[in-house]
Amino acid sequence: EVKLEESGGGLVQPGGSMKLSCVASGFTFSNYWMNWVRQSPEKGLEWVAEIRLKSNNYATHYAESVKGRFTISRDDSKSSVYLQMNNLRAEDTGIYYCTPYGNYVFDYWGQGTTLTVSS
Amino acid sequence: ETTVTQSPASLSVATGEKVTIRCITSTDIDDDMNWYQQKPGEPPKLLISEGNTLRPGVPSRFSSSGYGTDFVFTIENTLSEDVADYYCLQSDNMPYTFGGGTKLEIK
Repeated sequence: EVKLEESGGGLVQPGGSMKLSCVASGFTFSNYWMNWVRQSPEKGLEWVAEIRLKSNNYATHYAESVKGRFTISRDDSKSSVYLQMNNLRAEDTGIYYCTPYGNYVFDYWGQGTTLTVSS
Repeated sequence: ETTVTQSPASLSVATGEKVTIRCITSTDIDDDMNWYQQKPGEPPKLLISEGNTLRPGVPSRFSSSGYGTDFVFTIENTLSEDVADYYCLQSDNMPYTFGGGTKLEIK
């Protein structure tokens, strides 16, 4: 059974930082591109970042809205993906999901972790 | 960036009726459109993947069609359990972009 468990969300002030984590199980993690997708009432579902495989030199891609502020990384030995978020803004508030892209795009999802950026 | 315009934003149907949701993309994405269902308090669930491929275990009353820039998602014989938000997602090019969602209610 595929499981994805996100953690690390919470309340942070504008301009602050937060690091999200996601632990995966039930599939060969190292063979999957990993993504972060967020959801808010204002913007709906929004793709945030992707990290590819070791064979792709762990290439990363970002949404324009987070480029330069967020960094995605992975540790295949721990079946984990991370999202380091700096210089946070109110519009970054939302539920953050990690989701793999293998044979099918975003086939599995965790329950998400909630980030609130507010003073 | 490919913009995805989804319509309608909401709709209400009686059980047994047909539901049609449309997504139009600003660029040609071949058949790289995906459809998700999200029930309250749950994460999205992939129903249909690229090439109008129904995912295993998804009831056959769900289907989709389309190629290029115009895509349609259909629910035949809608059941009360189909109450949810539905989203389309283009995966042809980056950034991946979602439609704005359709809230389905049952009369």
